[in-house]
Parts: sequence; C-alpha cells; structure tokens
Amino acid sequence: NAGVTQTPKFQVLKTGQSMTLQCAQDMNHEYMSWYRQDPGMGLRLIHYSVGAGITDQGEVPNGYNVSRSTTEDFPLRLLSAAPSQTSVYFCASRRTGTGGMETQYFGPGTRLLVL
Amino acid sequence: TQLLEQSPQFLSIQEGENLTVYCNSSSVFSSLQWYRQEPGEGPVLLVTVVTGGEVKKLKRLTFQFGDARKDSSLHITAAQPGDTGLYLCAGGDSGNEKLTFGTGTRLTIIP
Repeated sequence: NAGVTQTPKFQVLKTGQSMTLQCAQDMNHEYMSWYRQDPGMGLRLIHYSVGAGITDQGEVPNGYNVSRSTTEDFPLRLLSAAPSQTSVYFCASRRTGTGGMETQYFGPGTRLLVL
Repeated sequence: TQLLEQSPQFLSIQEGENLTVYCNSSSVFSSLQWYRQEPGEGPVLLVTVVTGGEVKKLKRLTFQFGDARKDSSLHITAAQPGDTGLYLCAGGDSGNEKLTFGTGTRLTIIP
C-alpha cells in the first residue's frame, strides 16, 4: 500500500513549456485533489474530482487542466508554464463520506520552478 | 471566498513551555481539520472537529472548535522538539467537498 504517489519530485521548466504532474493512489478513494503551496499562503485548491469522469475547479484553476479517467490516477497538466506557477504542488485523496470531512492523505509533493 | 487566518505566523519557544495557535475566519465551516507538515513532506492530518464547541485531545495537543464554527485553537502542553513543524488548519465547506486551508503557523521548539 503506497498511499498517494507523485512524480516527478522536482522539475525545472522554461516559460511556455508544457508538462504533466502525475498523481496516483492505491486506496480506492473517490475524491482526489490538487493543491499548490506558496510561502505565507497555505495550500490553495486548484482542481478536484469526486470520482472517475468528474472534475471541478477549485480556488486557483487558471493555467491548469485535469482529467480523471480512472479512480487511481489524477494528472495535472500545465499547458504553457508561467513563472507565477513556480510552487510546490500536492496531490491528495480521501473517501467521500456521508458525515463529516474524511481523512485526506497527501502525496510528498512536486517542486516546480518555471524560469 | 472563505478565508482562514492563523496566528501567530511564526512561534519559537523553549522545550517544556505551553503554547496556543489560533485559526480564525468570518465564515462558518461544517468541519475543521488540523494538519502538521514536516519540511519536504505533505501535510498529515492530526484531528477533525465537526461540532461547535467540540474539544478533542491527542496526547499533549488539545483542539477546540468555536461555538459558532468560525474559529479553532490548538493548545500544546509541555512542548517538545518533536512538535516542531508547520501547523495548518483547514475548513470544510457546507457539502464537505472542498477544504480551505489557513496560512499556517510555523512552530519551532528549542531544546
């Protein structure tokens, strides 16, 4: 049971390049999400998914695309990288419970530098 | 947009002292979670509180959800170096679909 895995761990891009950040979970969680973490701003929600085939925007979706073709995988795409997208990106997953907020499990993060 | 402000932003205290960090908002949340994050890692959940006025204890850590479900506090008794880290609060929206994270409190316990 690996939990939530993210690749790559580090990436340097030039402005305008595209890339995909990979995220996978082996806990059969319905809910998956992507956050970015910047100094002094906590974590901000980019996109989330409540199940395969369903995605929705979070607080800061501009410049990012997602898809959810399987329960396990939730890739994040940067179509044309900008320096403002330099950040640490975290993927997370959890069950969609019927009561309060379920435990959310985070991956180890991807550090992205856009030059 | 719901906002969560944490205070203090930085806190450095001696081992054995007590401390409290705060998480405040003008918005009502259906649930409130506290996470701790170590350098180079993702946040790890410490506790979830869902009822106004609820108090939960986790060894030396005491968490409280405000009566109006707009604020929360984390109290640590007899702090230890292992408590060092970034503490994040996060509020769940009405459908418990999205989490809004606070700005974080970076805690350093000096041996």
